[in-house]
Amino acid sequence: DIQMTQSPSSLSASVGDRVTITCRASQSISTYLNWFQQKPGKAPRLLIYAASSLQSGVPSRFRGSGSGTDFTLTISSLQPEDFATYYCQQSYSTLWTFGQGTKVEIK
Amino acid sequence: QVTLRESGPALVEPTQTLTLTCTFSGFSLSTSGMCVSWIRQPPGKALEWLARIDWDDDKYYSTSLKTRLTISKDTSKNQVVLTMTNMDPVDTATYYCARSIAARTSADYWGQGTLVTVSS
Repeated sequence: DIQMTQSPSSLSASVGDRVTITCRASQSISTYLNWFQQKPGKAPRLLIYAASSLQSGVPSRFRGSGSGTDFTLTISSLQPEDFATYYCQQSYSTLWTFGQGTKVEIK
Repeated sequence: QVTLRESGPALVEPTQTLTLTCTFSGFSLSTSGMCVSWIRQPPGKALEWLARIDWDDDKYYSTSLKTRLTISKDTSKNQVVLTMTNMDPVDTATYYCARSIAARTSADYWGQGTLVTVSS
């Protein structure tokens, strides 16, 4: 199975900060990489698909990049509603796998 | 409007079989490309993909759980059913169903999830 490794596992940031989360795949997955946001008690929400495409309704401050094995999710200016846990997920294989998550907390 | 809703028991005893139903609307699993997956999340832990069924009845299972899982669909009822045998307390989790379109795309719509606790 393809392993997905996110870093960091958690971070503290302030409103207005630029935040970057990285995700590494154990083998090349082209651009079949997706990012989700999850808030406590809620289902995950798709933010970015195919590494860099913004899902409908998602603010443009979210940006995804990368290909092959290394990917990045960037939040250009952190807003209060962005404090959540973020997961990467590969859909290259029919057997999906998720990263372990990155919790973004308020500094 | 696409919606999905999970249903099933909130409490299951160890060694029992869990049966969960995903009832959806706004799309049809007989439409080419449509897929429904099950994903779970133990309390405070990460998401774990379990299984997927496609419009053409192709089925895929998590490598680590495939001996315990069965996924099926009833297109006429707009339902997908997941069974998991030999439940253990480590299987305590919120179970989600989610839709995806076509191979290699991601889950764009999710149910609200249902918490299943395994305990005697």
